[in-house]
Amino acid sequence: EVQLVESGGGLVQPGGSLRLSCAVSGFTLSSNALSWVRQTPGKGLEWVSSISASGDNTYYADSVKGRFTISRDNFKNSLYLQMNSLRAEDTAVYYCAKLVGAYDYWGHGTLLTVSS
Amino acid sequence: DVQMTQSPSAMSASVGDRVTITCRASQDIRNYLAWFQQKPGKVPRRLIYDASSLLSGVPSRFSGSGSGTEFTLTISSLQPEDFATYYCLQHKSYPITFGQGTRLEI
Repeated sequence: EVQLVESGGGLVQPGGSLRLSCAVSGFTLSSNALSWVRQTPGKGLEWVSSISASGDNTYYADSVKGRFTISRDNFKNSLYLQMNSLRAEDTAVYYCAKLVGAYDYWGHGTLLTVSS
Repeated sequence: DVQMTQSPSAMSASVGDRVTITCRASQDIRNYLAWFQQKPGKVPRRLIYDASSLLSGVPSRFSGSGSGTEFTLTISSLQPEDFATYYCLQHKSYPITFGQGTRLEI
């Protein structure tokens, strides 16, 4: 059974940092590009970042570029999102997901709240 | 950046209705388009990939069509469990972009 399990969310003050993790099981992480997607409660879906299967290529939404860093550890079967200089507008549920291809994988989401 | 414009933003329908949701891309994205369904409080679920391919386990009443800049998601006969919000997504180029969503209500 495929599982993606996010962790690391919580309450952080503006300007702070946090790292989200996504533990993957049931499929080969190294063969799949993965993404982070976020959703503010009651709002739409927003793509945040993606990383290629090899990990050589990373991509970011303009809203997080320069502040967030996506990475992966294929040996640990984990995806990460390092978030720095956090802002109130980063408050959202963050999902790790496989957005393309013939298989649909999503984590359950982890809530990040940026507030003083 | 590729802008994705979905229409309508909300609609009402009844069980048994045929429903069509449209997504328009601001530039040619070939068939690099997916459709997602999200129910309140639930994780999104991808229904369609590559514009018209149905993911495993998705009921056959869902279908996708289009290429280039115009795409449609059709539900041939609405079922009670289909009332949800639907999103399109383009992945032809980065940044990946979602449509703003279509809320399908009874």
